[in-house]
Amino acid sequence: DADVTQTPRNRITKTGKRIMLECSQTKGHDRMYWYRQDPGLGLRLIYYSFDVKDINKGEISDGYSVSRQAQAKFSLSLESAIPNQTALYFCATSDPGGSGNTIYFGEGSWLTVV
Amino acid sequence: AQSVTQLGSHVSVSEGALVLLRCNYSSSVPPYLFWYVQYPNQGLQLLLKYTSAATLVKGINGFEAEFKKSETSFHLTKPSAHMSDAAEYFCAVSSQGAQKLVFGQGTRLTINP
Repeated sequence: DADVTQTPRNRITKTGKRIMLECSQTKGHDRMYWYRQDPGLGLRLIYYSFDVKDINKGEISDGYSVSRQAQAKFSLSLESAIPNQTALYFCATSDPGGSGNTIYFGEGSWLTVV
Repeated sequence: AQSVTQLGSHVSVSEGALVLLRCNYSSSVPPYLFWYVQYPNQGLQLLLKYTSAATLVKGINGFEAEFKKSETSFHLTKPSAHMSDAAEYFCAVSSQGAQKLVFGQGTRLTINP
């Protein structure tokens, strides 16, 4: 089983709908992240959380919200989806006690907004 | 602030040829540097990382990268390309105490038979 699991892996939704992407991890890491990948833009950070009570905005948080339900769970919500939120979304974890802030990624969730 | 620039969004080499993917970084503090690889329809996998130990870092699948402070570079190389190396490669920078990883735009590597 994957250490970082994302659900759903693929989703098509309509403009204006609310959509939630869920992430769970078995690595025991405190830090969790949501990234968005678009062609030619690399990965951009949406939100990150260093523990259950800590939520921080990344560089592109507008239109998104997150919830850290437990150490192992971090969900991303699009309250009212729009077409330019069509992208590949990655959840990730890291352990600051390990060397170099290495980040471990889930397999991604493809979201299409029509 | 930290940033990464990957030179070339698309690199194409022949099978057996040298692979060179370029990465330059900007950081006001000693950096940690990473290369990640993304195979089609998969997540990102760590290839190698530099965290202030040896400047020549060896990673998985025969890749290596050299940290050159004077050039602010961390280029990724492999002596002989295989078809299975076709993927997208991302360079990233962080630092001790940093809260997040900053990624470059990515380089898509194509291997020609």
